[in-house]
Amino acid sequence: EVVMTQSPLSLPVTLGQPASISCTSSQSLVYSDGSTYLHWFHQRPGQSPRRLIYKVSNRDSGVPDRFSGSGSGTDFTLKISRVEAEDVGVYYCMQGTHWPLTFGGGTKVEIK
Amino acid sequence: EVQLLESGGGLVQAGGSLRLSCAASGFTFSRYVMSWVRQAPGKGLEWVSLISGSGDRTYYSDSVKGRFTISRDNSKNTLYLQMNSLSAEDTAVYYCAKWDDTRMDTPYHGVDVWGQGTTVTVFS
Repeated sequence: EVVMTQSPLSLPVTLGQPASISCTSSQSLVYSDGSTYLHWFHQRPGQSPRRLIYKVSNRDSGVPDRFSGSGSGTDFTLKISRVEAEDVGVYYCMQGTHWPLTFGGGTKVEIK
Repeated sequence: EVQLLESGGGLVQAGGSLRLSCAASGFTFSRYVMSWVRQAPGKGLEWVSLISGSGDRTYYSDSVKGRFTISRDNSKNTLYLQMNSLSAEDTAVYYCAKWDDTRMDTPYHGVDVWGQGTTVTVFS
């Protein structure tokens, strides 16, 4: 099983400041087709999760461009260029390259 | 609008059974892989089971294999999860989830639509 490790566990941020979340996989997430199936989800308090980014760097429809994803192989990053109040909650990475599918443990973003 | 509406959660005694349902609308239900993803109180996300668009292939996490059964009725645009031999470890919010995939094989693009969740509480 591919283990997904996120850091930090908790991330206090100041409104308007950038934030960065790391996700590391125990194996390369490059699939045989050359693509990398690493996705990011956001779960606001009391709400269902929502996919933000798919295949490392592709934003889902309606996702603000202050969110960006990057990385390759086993190391990935989700960045928020300027944190807004609605960005609080827990962020999860998930790999879809290997079976079984696995999620990271989550990073909780809160406002300082 | 794409929607998933779960029902069937509740309080159940350990060893008991429960059946969850998920009514889907706004998309061609039979085309997509569907699943149940759960979240224990204060914990992260855990996929429980996946089912192919036609319903002929299913996958289960090791934690529920042999106890849970996923199924779908494409004529009713409804997904089900039959849960037997429930234990306290099954206490969680269960989300119905539409995967952004029409094939039941890796690679997977992840869940692009989530339901609002239904709570299952198992007591002893």
